[in-house]
Amino acid sequence: KAGVTQTPRYLIKTRGQQVTLSCSPISGHRSVSWYQQTPGQGLQFLFEYFSETQRNKGNFPGRFSGRQFSNSRSEMNVSTLELGDSALYLCASSFGGYQETQYFGPGTRLLVL
Amino acid sequence: DAKTTQPPSMDCAEGRAANLPCNHSTISGNEYVYWYRQIHSQGPQYIIHGLKNNETNEMASLIITEDRKSSTLILPHATLRDTAVYYCIVRAAMMNSGYSTLTFGKGTMLLVSP
Repeated sequence: KAGVTQTPRYLIKTRGQQVTLSCSPISGHRSVSWYQQTPGQGLQFLFEYFSETQRNKGNFPGRFSGRQFSNSRSEMNVSTLELGDSALYLCASSFGGYQETQYFGPGTRLLVL
Repeated sequence: DAKTTQPPSMDCAEGRAANLPCNHSTISGNEYVYWYRQIHSQGPQYIIHGLKNNETNEMASLIITEDRKSSTLILPHATLRDTAVYYCIVRAAMMNSGYSTLTFGKGTMLLVSP
């Protein structure tokens, strides 16, 4: 069974630009969660989508948004990039039920110059 | 979610058992303990989880104390590839608490040496 895939794996952008990251969950999984990992803040939850609806949201500004498609694939978008947005962005998928285990993808490393 | 306390780093000799402790003294009765690990710059890898009873799978064993205030992850025969940051997470059980969220702490950096 294929794991969670994320594209692209590496990305370089400049301040003020926007970026879209993609996540394909494990087949059959309907929940996709996004996390940001930085050296200073560690792993932090961004948001979760289930059946095309945002179900949970972390404490991030509105510049961070996401969506989920009918095939459960998800994208996250960051607008007006700041230097502090440089991070490893991880997505995790699960069946979405109570206490279902989340499985992570390899991440997208974003560098903002 | 209940907070967890883990030592920042541990060393282990290759081939020996690695015992990683986690304190979660404020855990609620229906909260699960999850363990993930993250090898440098990769996505976190799920290891094991449990509620009350000890659990074992092909990767590791999880020992939870009777009062559930602490747990130990055991890697029975550590290899160099087990060098990673290990995260102990107590996951909220109430459905209105965002049950899909994992709250990561700083974890334990386990260094396995030859």
